[in-house]
Amino acid sequence: GAVVSQHPSWVICKSGTSVKIECRSLDFQATTMFWYRQFPKQSLMLMATSNEGSKATYEQGVEKDKFLINHASLTLSTLTVTSAHPEDSSFYICSAKENTEAFFGQGTRLTVV
Amino acid sequence: GQNIDQPTEMTATEGAIVQINCTYQTSGFNGLFWYQQHAGEAPTFLSYNVLDGLEEKGRFSSFLSRSKGYSYLLLKELQMKDSASYLCAVRDHSSASKIIFGSGTRLSIRP
Repeated sequence: GAVVSQHPSWVICKSGTSVKIECRSLDFQATTMFWYRQFPKQSLMLMATSNEGSKATYEQGVEKDKFLINHASLTLSTLTVTSAHPEDSSFYICSAKENTEAFFGQGTRLTVV
Repeated sequence: GQNIDQPTEMTATEGAIVQINCTYQTSGFNGLFWYQQHAGEAPTFLSYNVLDGLEEKGRFSSFLSRSKGYSYLLLKELQMKDSASYLCAVRDHSSASKIIFGSGTRLSIRP
């Protein structure tokens, strides 16, 4: 199947700082990528849909000024968690759609201290 | 909106068969996915159904009935490594075709 690479796989940051997470489709072009957040023992919650060359579409309740999404090319989308707080600590996962399947990155475990 | 329901937890015996059910309500349906997720890892794709019927792939099969808003994942010849969460997800009919996940079913396999 297609490969989606997400970086970093884990990050620890101080409260108030910003963290950027990258999601790359390595062997296909993805006009649309999705960002999910997953808290322990819970399912994936869709945060936003990232569209190449245009603004992301955010789900209800997700602050667009806090979770900045940039999809500058057909193979790269980035999620920046700005002014991170401990409650932002979570597992963040991106996915990219190729034809009928959706492939996931490895996920990024963010810990804000 | 969308609503996806699946059991929270199930237990089965190694070598046996288990069926995980998923019911959904959606304003626009464009396919149903099943994913497997081990703790701390990203989900991995298992199956995709967009038409009614059974899709078989090795030990795993997935069934869909669009009129009933119902799907199941069938796992045969269970192995200990099948202990994981199984996520049912529905894709909507919007231009973005976003995929929304159910809460997941934690499957435990006992020897």
